[in-house]
Amino acid sequence: DIVMTQTPLSSPVTLGQPASISCRSSQSLVHSDGNTYLSWLQQRPGQPPRLLIYKVSNRFSGVPERFSGSGAGTDFTLKISRVEAEDVGVYYCTQATQFPWTFGQGTKVEIK
Amino acid sequence: QVQLQESGPGLVKPSETLSLTCTVSGDSINNSGYYWGWIRQPPGKGLEWIGSIYYSGSTYYNPSLKSRVTISVNTSKNQFSLNLNSVAAADTAVYYCARHAFRFAPGYWGQGTLVTVSS
Repeated sequence: DIVMTQTPLSSPVTLGQPASISCRSSQSLVHSDGNTYLSWLQQRPGQPPRLLIYKVSNRFSGVPERFSGSGAGTDFTLKISRVEAEDVGVYYCTQATQFPWTFGQGTKVEIK
Repeated sequence: QVQLQESGPGLVKPSETLSLTCTVSGDSINNSGYYWGWIRQPPGKGLEWIGSIYYSGSTYYNPSLKSRVTISVNTSKNQFSLNLNSVAAADTAVYYCARHAFRFAPGYWGQGTLVTVSS
């Protein structure tokens, strides 16, 4: 299985300041079809996960522009340009390039 | 708006079978663009993909659970179901149903249902 490792596991941030989460995969996530199936999910407290980013850098419908994704191969980053109070929660990276689909352990974003 | 709702027992005894159903509204399970999946989350822990099904009946299971899992679809009721047999305490989790395109993380999730395995 592909292991997804996120850093940091916890990220205290100041409102209005940027935040960044890294995700590293144990193997390249480039599929033979040329696509990289790396996504980012947000899980607010008590809520189901919500898709933010798919295929590394594409924002899902309704996701604010302050969320952006980047990376290639085995190293990926989720950035929040200016953190808002509603961004508090746990963020997961996930890969669907190779079965079984796997998730990172999660990064908790909280307000300082 | 696509909505998914899980239903089923909240308490299952060890060694028995966990059975959940996901009812879909706002979309047809026969929609050829999407798969219908199950993901679980033990209390306070991370996410684990269980498996997914296409409306035709084609299934993809996590190998770690494959020997115990069956996912099926009922197109006439616009539902799909999860059966997990021989459960143990480690199967206690919130179980989510979701809609996703192939090789894409789910864009639509149910609210989740907590299933506790205990005697």
